[in-house]
Amino acid sequence: SYELTQPPSVSVSPGQTARITCSGDALPKQYAYWYQQKPGQAPVLVIYKDSERPSGIPERFSGSSSGTTVTLTISGVQAEDEADYYCQSADSSGTPVFGGGTKLTVL
Amino acid sequence: QVTLKESGPVLVKPTETLTLTCTVSGFSLSNARMGVSWIRQPPGKALEWLAHIFSNDEKSYSTSLKSRLTISKDTSKSQVVLTMTNMDPVDTATYYCARIQDSSSIWFDPWGQGTLVTVSS
Repeated sequence: SYELTQPPSVSVSPGQTARITCSGDALPKQYAYWYQQKPGQAPVLVIYKDSERPSGIPERFSGSSSGTTVTLTISGVQAEDEADYYCQSADSSGTPVFGGGTKLTVL
Repeated sequence: QVTLKESGPVLVKPTETLTLTCTVSGFSLSNARMGVSWIRQPPGKALEWLAHIFSNDEKSYSTSLKSRLTISKDTSKSQVVLTMTNMDPVDTATYYCARIQDSSSIWFDPWGQGTLVTVSS
């Protein structure tokens, strides 16, 4: 079955830039989406179609794509950004798939 | 404002059938290209997509769980129902429903608050 691979954890100091990657063979042909999930809460969409930001999401969140890897970048990380982040895309048949999640720790 | 809310039992016994209901507001289940998906998350683990249904009644299921899942909708009640048969303790998870805005490219926004289902005798 198709898999999306994320690093289990990323740590940054406040004000620095955090980059979370997601790799998958179908990513050159399928859009990627990113969700933020804080403890005890439902996921929230922060990036759609690789690099689009929904209304209400701070500008410090951005997304990019290069080949089989997509990246979520959080510029000027704040303490409130500490959360789990999940990428999501689809396999070649359009079936949705989630990555394993990355825990972002703000030091 | 678009909202979704899951409801169903908090505890089911092994081998029983789970029935979950997602009640939506702020949009219609008959809106073209729009749909609702079910996604689950075992405690401390990653998200797993289960199934979705679109306004034209097109349905899709997780390959690994297809034999156990049924999704349906009642547009007049603004509800989407998921049933999962032969529940097992490994099915213990928070179950979320979420809106799909465009059937041509699937992403989930917004999500319901989730409902924790525990499978135990």
